[in-house]
Amino acid sequence: GAVVSQHPSRVICKSGTSVKIECRSLDFQATTMFWYRQFPKQSLMLMATSNEGSKATYEQGVEKDKFLINHASLTLSTLTVTSAHPEDSSFYICSASGQEGGQPQHFGDGTRLSIL
Amino acid sequence: GNSVTQMEGPVTLSEEAFLTINCTYTATGYPSLFWYVQYPGEGLQLLLKATKADDKGSNKGFEATYRKETTSFHLEKGSVQVSDSAVYFCALMNSGYSTLTFGKGTMLLVSP
Repeated sequence: GAVVSQHPSRVICKSGTSVKIECRSLDFQATTMFWYRQFPKQSLMLMATSNEGSKATYEQGVEKDKFLINHASLTLSTLTVTSAHPEDSSFYICSASGQEGGQPQHFGDGTRLSIL
Repeated sequence: GNSVTQMEGPVTLSEEAFLTINCTYTATGYPSLFWYVQYPGEGLQLLLKATKADDKGSNKGFEATYRKETTSFHLEKGSVQVSDSAVYFCALMNSGYSTLTFGKGTMLLVSP
């Protein structure tokens, strides 16, 4: 089945550091990629949707300058948390959908980000 | 707008017990419905789906039937195992769109 690889799986870094998370579709072309944030014991909060070659669409309340999203190719999207602070600590999950029309998204295994 | 409501957890069961996790939805048009499962420390995996009314999705012993008249998509399993312990998310997607709307998730804990 379709596979999405997310890297790294865990990051621990100091406050003020910028952190990049990669999301790759391994066996299909992902025309659309999604970035979610999951707080403890809560559901997934959609942060932004990105289409290859165009700017990401951010959900209300998500800071564009804080969470930079790049979708440069049909197999790769990156999320950069700029100048991360402890409140940015969370579980970030990406997903991707291909040119399948209405088919579900395929999810990565998530990245646990811890800011000290 | 779209919304998905799931029963609150945790749901605690003994091995081989019958499982039901309720899910109801509000949506315009005729959405597709999904159940995703999240094991500890991992991302989401698609468990099953149904794309139209009266469809039954099934996988790994889990089943859910798309009930348009009650706007529900309840997840069931006849005999749960310890390895089924996870968080289960109900979700919908409107036709023509790729954005998923998730419920808040229901944690299932199965004891031996």
